[in-house]
Amino acid sequence: QKEVEQNSGPLSVPEGAIASLNCTYSDRGSQSFFWYRQYSGKSPELIMFIYSNGDKEDGRFTAQLNKASQYVSLLIRDSQPSDSATYLCAVKVWMFSGGYNKLIFGAGTRLAVHP
Amino acid sequence: DTAVSQTPKYLVTQMGNDKSIKCEQNLGHDTMYWYKQDSKKFLKIMFSYNNKELIINETVPNRFSPKSPDKAHLNLHINSLELGDSAVYFCASSQGDRGRSEKLFFGSGTQLSVL
Repeated sequence: QKEVEQNSGPLSVPEGAIASLNCTYSDRGSQSFFWYRQYSGKSPELIMFIYSNGDKEDGRFTAQLNKASQYVSLLIRDSQPSDSATYLCAVKVWMFSGGYNKLIFGAGTRLAVHP
Repeated sequence: DTAVSQTPKYLVTQMGNDKSIKCEQNLGHDTMYWYKQDSKKFLKIMFSYNNKELIINETVPNRFSPKSPDKAHLNLHINSLELGDSAVYFCASSQGDRGRSEKLFFGSGTQLSVL
């Protein structure tokens, strides 16, 4: 069973702080990793993807990948109240039985940024 | 312009009824998906179609039947609805399973409540 684990939270951080969201995955063969943001009652939207070990930065967001530890994280610098949402980690896995790729999502971490 | 649109947004129905959810995308994507998000926020793939061909059919009861009349449309018909079918159903589309950075575009979701 290929799994993606996240702490459900809520993770509460003050405005202006760095929010750190973590995700672990079970399939060592996974190559692509995604972070989706989902506001309450809305649909998920992609904010970052990463497939090489190390850091990838995009504005206030940094994705970090460590394949040896099967760990991917998302850092949000200068957190704003508008960042309050659920952050879903997703991992692309190859399904040998069916011969296709699919995205497996974690249950998400709820982030609350308070003024 | 809405990229991925699904209807209805809310669906309240009795157990045993049959219902359909419709989805259309105007992004010119080749691949469309149905995802189910339960009360614990797990987002799980149900079906995937690529150019009207069924690619992914996860372990879903055969009461659920997707239909793709063309690559811009993917509908979901559910027979004999059960209480456990209550969830938010998201339609999504993507360019196709070509790259590691493939991005999913989600519709706004259909909140299904089975009474």
